[in-house]
Amino acid sequence: DTEVTQTPKHLVMGMTNKKSLKCEQHMGHRAMYWYKQKAKKPPELMFVYSYEKLSINESVPSRFSPECPNSSLLNLHLHALQPEDSALYLCASSQGGNFYGYTFGSGTRLTVV
Amino acid sequence: KNEVEQSPQNLTAQEGEFITINCSYSVGISALHWLQQHPGGGIVSLFMLSSGKKKHGRLIATINIQEKHSSLHITASHPRDSAVYICAVISTGNQFYFGTGTSLTVIP
Repeated sequence: DTEVTQTPKHLVMGMTNKKSLKCEQHMGHRAMYWYKQKAKKPPELMFVYSYEKLSINESVPSRFSPECPNSSLLNLHLHALQPEDSALYLCASSQGGNFYGYTFGSGTRLTVV
Repeated sequence: KNEVEQSPQNLTAQEGEFITINCSYSVGISALHWLQQHPGGGIVSLFMLSSGKKKHGRLIATINIQEKHSSLHITASHPRDSAVYICAVISTGNQFYFGTGTSLTVIP
């Protein structure tokens, strides 16, 4: 298995909703990443988990809450989002913090209404 | 100023043409990725390079570490090659920097 699987592929949520994005990989990668990508822009790093511990939080608002329950799974919990949070949310993983074997998921297209 | 600059930003080609996308970077790097992103959103890593040249099918990637420059070439381009191509580098400080992407459209 050489994939990073993200679910759901599309999500529409209201500003008062609570939802979660899920990312899964079974390549034995020990670093996992969340990115946010707006249209026609490169991805922006949000969080990095290394060996299941949060190692980087790029000053992301607290309405985004990451969780890494185990080495294969990464969640992003969403609460009280704003319309400007609408974007493509990409998950990636790598063998370690050196980005070796870096693999992206196909993303979740989030729309906040 | 971005640490990674790509050119051109947009490129339109006729099917069958030879295409070159350029990437220049300003930081010391341990490796460079060429990524492909289709309109659906998913990103695929095409190459990871730290020196020389790599080839996969119709795609060729080269890197010149001294000049801090890399190129992605597509031979015999096809409409299915239409996508955004992103150059990304891993700095020696273990930071990951993305270029702004090159949007390629190949017309039949």
